[in-house]
Amino acid sequence: GENVEQHPSTLSVQEGDSAVIKCTYSDSASNYFPWYKQELGKGPQLIIDIRSNVGEKKDQRIAVTLNKTAKHFSLHITETQPEDSAVYFCAARRDYKLSFGAGTTVTVRA
Amino acid sequence: GAVVSQHPSRVICKSGTSVKIECRSLDFQATTMFWYRQFPKQSLMLMATSNEGSKATYEQGVEKDKFLINHASLTLSTLTVTSAHPEDSSFYICSETASRAGDTQYFGPGTRLTVL
Repeated sequence: GENVEQHPSTLSVQEGDSAVIKCTYSDSASNYFPWYKQELGKGPQLIIDIRSNVGEKKDQRIAVTLNKTAKHFSLHITETQPEDSAVYFCAARRDYKLSFGAGTTVTVRA
Repeated sequence: GAVVSQHPSRVICKSGTSVKIECRSLDFQATTMFWYRQFPKQSLMLMATSNEGSKATYEQGVEKDKFLINHASLTLSTLTVTSAHPEDSSFYICSETASRAGDTQYFGPGTRLTVL
């Protein structure tokens, strides 16, 4: 099955700086790669996603890049704010099943 | 965007009892529903996948007789934890695929189950 690895497990950044989270996947048939933000005690919230026919996608301060050849994708958050502090999960989907990374705890220092 | 609700948000029960968790689509018809469980500081683990009117497909290691899933309509799925034990205490989250949104997957707010 699909195996998704996510790094780093924790990330502390100064407010205003950028945060980058990287994921790799194993199954070349995966074609959809969403990113979720999860705050304590809440369900995951979709923040951005990218499909296999696209290399990059941006939504305001958030961007995602995908390298299908290398089987890796990354989340970039610019101008971080305290409300960006949360756990972020990457995922890869083949057919209808999402496989998740282990998560990255992001802390934005004021 | 799509909205998925879950009820209850928290439940505490005694060991041996059964608990039902509801998952509803509020503004779309879900073609496929998923149930996940998440232990503290861990990632989401898929338990089962279901489509309306058909039996759920369980992941390896998930007991189908213990975790009963009913997907009676395009807007409602239920997960019943039968004969719950303390090791079943976890955060249960449903997720749905909205066909009109191009199969984007949205998650509910989760249900915290504590079995005493």
